[in-house]
Amino acid sequence: KAGVTQTPRYLIKTRGQQVTLSCSPISGHRSVSWYQQTPGQGLQFLFEYFSETQRNKGNFPGRFSGRQFSNSRSEMNVSTLELGDSALYLCASSLVTSWDEQFFGPGTRLTVL
Amino acid sequence: QKEVEQDPGPLSVPEGAIVSLNCTYSNSAFQYFMWYRQYSRKGPELLMYTYSSGNKEDGRFTAQVDKSSKYISLFIRDSQPSDSATYLCAMTPRTSYDKVIFGPGTSLSVIP
Repeated sequence: KAGVTQTPRYLIKTRGQQVTLSCSPISGHRSVSWYQQTPGQGLQFLFEYFSETQRNKGNFPGRFSGRQFSNSRSEMNVSTLELGDSALYLCASSLVTSWDEQFFGPGTRLTVL
Repeated sequence: QKEVEQDPGPLSVPEGAIVSLNCTYSNSAFQYFMWYRQYSRKGPELLMYTYSSGNKEDGRFTAQVDKSSKYISLFIRDSQPSDSATYLCAMTPRTSYDKVIFGPGTSLSVIP
């Protein structure tokens, strides 16, 4: 079965801009989690969506937001980009909860100049 | 102090060596422990999971949990160049809809 897909794979933006990343989970998976991965901080939890509702949220500022559609596809948005937002953004899908086995996409590499 | 700490890398070993990767945690509510492997330019993939204290074996991999010391380990026997990757420990209380907390990862290189 098809894995988790993320688009785009690479993005270059400038400070102050906003960006939208997309994630298509594995068919049948209803939970989608987003993570930020940086060399210094590792994998940090952003938020989790289930049935179009945000079920859990990490410690990130309100500039980071997301949503989930009825087909379980999810998007995350970062507004007013800062240099420190440069990271690999990973999406993970799982059947029901985030502690069911999570299947990760390849990530979107965001560079903020 | 971070909730989950992991041995800093990078770790470089010769092929065939036994590798030990370790994590400590501070939250005694964590009950479910996982190890993920992440190859370069890929997302992490689940390697092993365990609920209880003690050892769990899967081929060349052994996961060990010591809840009294809040310490988990992953051992790789007869390491291969294909084991070269970043290894992330992860854990959760696994109650209600708790989130999963990941360690920062240890980069491993197995030299032929």
